[in-house]
Amino acid sequence: DQQVKQNSPSLSVQEGRISILNCDYTNSMFDYFLWYKKYPAEGPTFLISISSIKDKNEDGRFTVFLNKSAKHLSLHIVPSQPGDSAVYFCAASRYTGANSKLTFGKGITLSVRP
Amino acid sequence: DTAVSQTPKYLVTQMGNDKSIKCEQNLGHDTMYWYKQDSKKFLKIMFSYNNKELIINETVPNRFSPKSPDKAHLNLHINSLELGDSAVYFCASSQDRGRVGEQYFGPGTRLTVT
Repeated sequence: DQQVKQNSPSLSVQEGRISILNCDYTNSMFDYFLWYKKYPAEGPTFLISISSIKDKNEDGRFTVFLNKSAKHLSLHIVPSQPGDSAVYFCAASRYTGANSKLTFGKGITLSVRP
Repeated sequence: DTAVSQTPKYLVTQMGNDKSIKCEQNLGHDTMYWYKQDSKKFLKIMFSYNNKELIINETVPNRFSPKSPDKAHLNLHINSLELGDSAVYFCASSQDRGRVGEQYFGPGTRLTVT
């Protein structure tokens, strides 16, 4: 049962353009969402997060948008750079609770062409 | 300085053997995790420990046994290895228990069972 879905396995964009990575979730109890970036042979690294009380969070070139009614979030990278080429994982959780845990999607491979 | 380290990085072994993967974090975090990334690329939580106390134990075969000698270390022992155990195993740590936030991942251990 995939509670977090990243339906597009890959995305290719030109350097300088916008990258939009999408993520859908099914569990309405999720109230905290995160994006992680992963380079080959390395562990995932935290990129940006958003709480369900917000619909947008921005950090430099990275912006995450949350549409709770559609159970959809997206990560925008503007402008895209070749160093952004990596696998991006969407993750979701209930923020509080003794057994809080992250549920990950299967990732999207982003390629930024010079 | 590496924040979350794992050893070994690669592990090739035969079915039926017993092996261990070690994890150490120098971030002073209270909570540590083990994740498994299988061939379908999903990152799935296996265990989490908080101050040496087991918090999360997903439906993992009891051949897998985590051991936390102190809050900076969380080792994973696997008995009677099977072909299906082949995967990349990631250790992670975070500051808060009961509030899922940013997790710091190790580089992963690629386990191949032949």
